[in-house]
Amino acid sequence: QKEVEQNSGPLSVPEGAIASLNCTYSDRGSQSLFWYRQYSGKSPELIMSIYSNGDKEDGRFTAQLNKASQYVSLLIRDSQPSDSATYLCAVKPTGTASKLTFGTGTRLQVTL
Amino acid sequence: EPEVTQTPSHQVTQMGQEVILRCVPISNHLYFYWYRQILGQKVEFLVSFYNNEISEKSEIFDDQFSVERPDGSNFTLKIRSTKLEDSAMYFCATETSGFPTDTQYFGPGTRLTVL
Repeated sequence: QKEVEQNSGPLSVPEGAIASLNCTYSDRGSQSLFWYRQYSGKSPELIMSIYSNGDKEDGRFTAQLNKASQYVSLLIRDSQPSDSATYLCAVKPTGTASKLTFGTGTRLQVTL
Repeated sequence: EPEVTQTPSHQVTQMGQEVILRCVPISNHLYFYWYRQILGQKVEFLVSFYNNEISEKSEIFDDQFSVERPDGSNFTLKIRSTKLEDSAMYFCATETSGFPTDTQYFGPGTRLTVL
């Protein structure tokens, strides 16, 4: 059974701090990793995709992938109240026409 | 920016009734998916669709479910005889081809309530 595991939280950080979200996955195959953000009652919104080991930065977001450890993280710098949401980690075999397998998500609360 | 659209946003139906959920994919996308999310649970894969055929389906996608692309634009999910446990958010996602752009973009979802 392919699994994606995340701490459900909530993770509470003060405004302006760095939020660190973690995800582990069980399938050792060639994987693409995705971070989606989901506000309550809304659909998943893509934040980042990462395919290779190392860091990938996009604005205030940095994804870090370690394929040997089957671990991916998402750092959010200068956290804002609008970042308060559930962050979903998703995995799929690299390439098209493959399903995403989601974790349960980590709820992030950014406090004033 | 192109986006996936879904209709209706909310569907209320009686148990045993048929429902059709509709999705309009992003225009140059070739791969289509349905996912569902029961309240408080994780997003689950239902089915993938490419070149007018199902590519993969999950255990959830039983004989009560079907998908089709009737007119080359809409992508539909039909539930023939709804059950209480079908109540969930249903998300359509679409994907273009070519590495590394194998990214799926989600529509806003249809909230299905079965009474």
